[in-house]
Amino acid sequence: SQQGEEDPQALSIQEGENATMNCSYKTSINNLQWYRQNSGRGLVHLILIRSNEREKHSGRLRVTLDTSKKSSSLLITASRAADTASYFCATDPTQGGSEKLVFGKGMKLTVNP
Amino acid sequence: NAGVTQTPKFQVLKTGQSMTLQCAQDMNHNSMYWYRQDPGMGLRLIYYSASEGTTDKGEVPNGYNVSRLNKREFSLRLESAAPSQTSVYFCASSQDRGTYNSPLHFGNGTRLTVT
Repeated sequence: SQQGEEDPQALSIQEGENATMNCSYKTSINNLQWYRQNSGRGLVHLILIRSNEREKHSGRLRVTLDTSKKSSSLLITASRAADTASYFCATDPTQGGSEKLVFGKGMKLTVNP
Repeated sequence: NAGVTQTPKFQVLKTGQSMTLQCAQDMNHNSMYWYRQDPGMGLRLIYYSASEGTTDKGEVPNGYNVSRLNKREFSLRLESAAPSQTSVYFCASSQDRGTYNSPLHFGNGTRLTVT
């Protein structure tokens, strides 16, 4: 069963703009991870934020986590055409064993040159 | 550095046929996973192996079997393929026993069609 739900499901922006994607989840978590999937390829891990962290940066990526609202956001600044991909949040729930990373359905980002 | 390698990349089966999807990782990871990805459904865990010699069911294990052949290799077998198993299958690995503080490394997938 899906734990995380990305919002919006699709986003189209112009190159240079910022893109914000949101993820909501239902149960308590150990950590939350964001992945990118280019068309026809496997998922690539972008960033992991632990439940005791509120914000994390990696290059042009900024992730926030609000455990009280059970939500996370991924901000991509100064987007590029190469950022066009599907983005997934995945939660590591505290219940059910740490093996079971649960993925959302994904969100498609299109960056127009 | 190959990472996670899956074979084959594409496969078409007739209903009732069997096949094995192969996966190998060269990162010395303990844990390996099989997911399926369907449109609008995200990724769903089929089976996982927390360490060599152990396997456990995930969310959608029915119709599948797995073998953790050694630390590097984790195969997924469809004994009698059904159209509902048409999907893209991804193998993944991670360093730790579980996913806590450890990202997953994915292969590029096997696209399976069952007619």
